Amino acid sequence: GAVVSQHPSRVICKSGTSVKIECRSLDFQATTMFWYRQFPKKSLMLMATSNEGSKATYEQGVEKDKFLINHASLTLSTLTVTSAHPEDSSFYICSGGNPTDTQYFGPGTRLTVL
Amino acid sequence: GENVEQHPSTLSVQEGDSAVIKCTYSDSASNYFPWYKQELGKRPQLIIDIRSNVGEKKDQRIAVTLNKTAKHFSLHITETQPEDSAVYFCAASRGGNQFYFGTGTSLTVIP
Repeated sequence: GAVVSQHPSRVICKSGTSVKIECRSLDFQATTMFWYRQFPKKSLMLMATSNEGSKATYEQGVEKDKFLINHASLTLSTLTVTSAHPEDSSFYICSGGNPTDTQYFGPGTRLTVL
Repeated sequence: GENVEQHPSTLSVQEGDSAVIKCTYSDSASNYFPWYKQELGKRPQLIIDIRSNVGEKKDQRIAVTLNKTAKHFSLHITETQPEDSAVYFCAASRGGNQFYFGTGTSLTVIP
């Protein structure tokens, strides 16, 4: 299957700071990648669809100015949590895959905002 | 949009017994149904998938069945082992990789 990496795996930051999370497809080109948020013992909640070369598509209820997504190349999408607050603490996972194939997930990033 | 429901939310079985997890979906255009296994703190891993032109698919101890008319699909794990303990998610997609996930089932296999 396809390989997706994510960095960092864990980040702790102070309230009010911004955090950038990178998602890379290592062995395939991804015109589309997805960002999910997962709370403890909960399901994956789709936040947004990241489109290479164009604006991301956000799910209802997700603040686009809060969660900035950039998909500058076919192998890299970034999620920036701006002015992070403790309620933004969560497990963030990206995924990607070829359109006719399944999704492959990154290892996730554990964000803790103090 | 698509709405995927998953039951049960928790499931405990004795080692060697079978486990069944069921999902329903609402969008009749959905045509791809993967199942993922997620261990604590790790990424979801694809364990089996089925497309809408097939009614059943099996891979060793794991099988998935699909009823398009009723819009439901199920995961069957036979001869369960302790290492099968994890959270399992179903998902539905109408193509283009956008998946909608069920709420998850926490499976515990008791040795």
